[in-house]
Amino acid sequence: GGIITQTPKFLIGQEGQKLTLKCQQNFNHDTMYWYRQDSGKGLRLIYYSITENDLQKGDLSEGYDASREKKSSFSLTVTSAQKNEMAVFLCASSITGWDTGQLYFGEGSKLTVL
Amino acid sequence: GNSVTQMQGQVTLSEEEFLFINCTYSTTGYPTLFWYVQYPGEGPQLLLKVTTANNKGSSRGFEATYDKGTTSFHLQKASVQESDSAVYYCVLGESSGSWQLIFGSGTQLTVMP
Repeated sequence: GGIITQTPKFLIGQEGQKLTLKCQQNFNHDTMYWYRQDSGKGLRLIYYSITENDLQKGDLSEGYDASREKKSSFSLTVTSAQKNEMAVFLCASSITGWDTGQLYFGEGSKLTVL
Repeated sequence: GNSVTQMQGQVTLSEEEFLFINCTYSTTGYPTLFWYVQYPGEGPQLLLKVTTANNKGSSRGFEATYDKGTTSFHLQKASVQESDSAVYYCVLGESSGSWQLIFGSGTQLTVMP
């Protein structure tokens, strides 16, 4: 088996601040994803990466940057945190793409902006 | 574009009652449909997958089928347990070649003992 580790678990920031979330996986999976989870809205894709140094934008990429410098890690940066923003960011990985349907998710990083 | 609509935001049942959660989908291609489940404090995990209309997918006592005619997709379980309390997401796999799943808004299932 393997595991997805997200750090930090909780992140509190100030309006306008740049904030970075990190994700590590030891499945040796090629594809990694960042999703945002808002109450009542399901999961929305921010960025994904199909291999080291690859980046693909999802529907929600505006306001975010991502980086995949190693196969095992994928980071997400909120470029300018919005006041009163609150969301959970979920990292996931899969062997190839979505077609197997088997994405493995981390436990999430909860962002609160004061 | 492709989309998934999950109308039931909350469902509350007693143990041993029948569960039925329905979604509708819209796609221009050939859908692959999934159900994911998220337990408190955890990330979502794949529950089951259905690749062919009117074929049944099953896992852990849950069953799912989809109907191309009505573009609907449902999840059912004959007898729920308190441990089934979780959020259930219906998910559409895009067939256009882009690498993403489209998640519904989720159904919070609460099972009372």
